[in-house]
Amino acid sequence: AQTVTQSQPEMSVQEAETVTLSCTYDTSESDYYLFWYKQPPSRQMILVIRQEAYKQQNATENRFSVNFQKAAKSFSLKISDSQLGDAAMYFCAYRPYNNNDMRFGAGTRLTVKP
Amino acid sequence: SAVISQKPSRDICQRGTSLTIQCQVDSQVTMMFWYRQQPGQSLTLIATANQGSEATYESGFVIDKFPISRPNLTFSTLTVSNMSPEDSSIYLCSAGLAYNEQFFGPGTRLTVL
Repeated sequence: AQTVTQSQPEMSVQEAETVTLSCTYDTSESDYYLFWYKQPPSRQMILVIRQEAYKQQNATENRFSVNFQKAAKSFSLKISDSQLGDAAMYFCAYRPYNNNDMRFGAGTRLTVKP
Repeated sequence: SAVISQKPSRDICQRGTSLTIQCQVDSQVTMMFWYRQQPGQSLTLIATANQGSEATYESGFVIDKFPISRPNLTFSTLTVSNMSPEDSSIYLCSAGLAYNEQFFGPGTRLTVL
């Protein structure tokens, strides 16, 4: 079974600084997708970024980028120029390529200090 | 992307009663899912809602406790039956195209007394 591990229950960052959230996963599949979702206090889960395992290039979305290390099964999220609105729970998620079964990590609570 | 709404947003219920949660998507989607998120925890998949047929349940979840309907491509319901305080949780609906990212509703916060 695939598992997703987020080893940082909580992280904090100063506004305008950069923070990296860690995620590792375990799978025997070669093709799969990885996601980072953000869940603010409003509870709405928002897709932040997505990475296809077959792509070597790391995905980026404005201030959000990932460091995807396929051999190490690592998928970290970097948030640059942190903003107060970035404060939320961040969940890393894995889904096999030909399967809709998405697995989530335990989450990392990010606090942004003004 | 898809916009997903859920009703009710929250409810407080008595032990032994049932609550039906509705999920509406603004566009036709292939897949719809129901998750449970206990306080401070991650998401656990309850079941995949299949249009016109019985839902596919994950281990530890059964149809008698969590009956699910999906009469069309944009609507699904989850019923939490014979509730106990252990059922207090956030219930999230998600939807998307097959083999693609999922978009989530705002969740329903359920408290069982």
